[in-house]
Amino acid sequence: EPEVTQTPSHQVTQMGQEVILRCVPISNHLYFYWYRQILGQKVEFLVSFYNNEISEKSEIFDDQFSVERPDGSNFTLKIRSTKLEDSAMYFCASSLPGAWPLREQYFGPGTRLTVT
Amino acid sequence: DQQVKQNSPSLSVQEGRISILNCDYTNSMFDYFLWYKKYPAEGPTFLISISSIKDKNEDGRFTVFLNKSAKHLSLHIVPSQPGDSAVYFCAAPVLAGGTSYGKLTFGQGTILTVHP
Repeated sequence: EPEVTQTPSHQVTQMGQEVILRCVPISNHLYFYWYRQILGQKVEFLVSFYNNEISEKSEIFDDQFSVERPDGSNFTLKIRSTKLEDSAMYFCASSLPGAWPLREQYFGPGTRLTVT
Repeated sequence: DQQVKQNSPSLSVQEGRISILNCDYTNSMFDYFLWYKKYPAEGPTFLISISSIKDKNEDGRFTVFLNKSAKHLSLHIVPSQPGDSAVYFCAAPVLAGGTSYGKLTFGQGTILTVHP
């Protein structure tokens, strides 16, 4: 069964450093998403991406964040200058376009980001 | 206000019994709801969904009930199995201009423990 994959599974970085989280969405999906879950809190939407551009972003997704689809398979989330409060599980998801239920999202296993 | 709330942080049931997980929402315009299951160190896995035009959707041991007048949905698992022990999230697509897009808003999650 096709699945979303993410690398690395765990990333430790120092405050102020740049990190890039990588995702390989399901191959025939066209919508890509990043969510995060801070320990003990809800899963929160960060950004959605379609047709090589951001289709929607949350207030969390500020200038320090960017997304890119550098080739036909990878989808990346970059945090330019990490802060302690960026420590969280980051989940990538993908879906087909169209109305629900086609838009049901399939999530990757997550990358645990720890900022020290 | 477009919130989804799960007021029970945990639920413990005996194997073979019914598990009932509850979810409330604030926006009566939500038109689709999803349940995800999450094991530790894994991403959320889609479980079952329901459109607002229905009041019940069944898939094997899992049934979701929707009570629109009460803005309440519930997930029933019958019979419960130890492998069902996980965190369960309800979610709904956030509305913009009366249309639901891909951005999901999640509840806080309920930890289900099924004892042998």
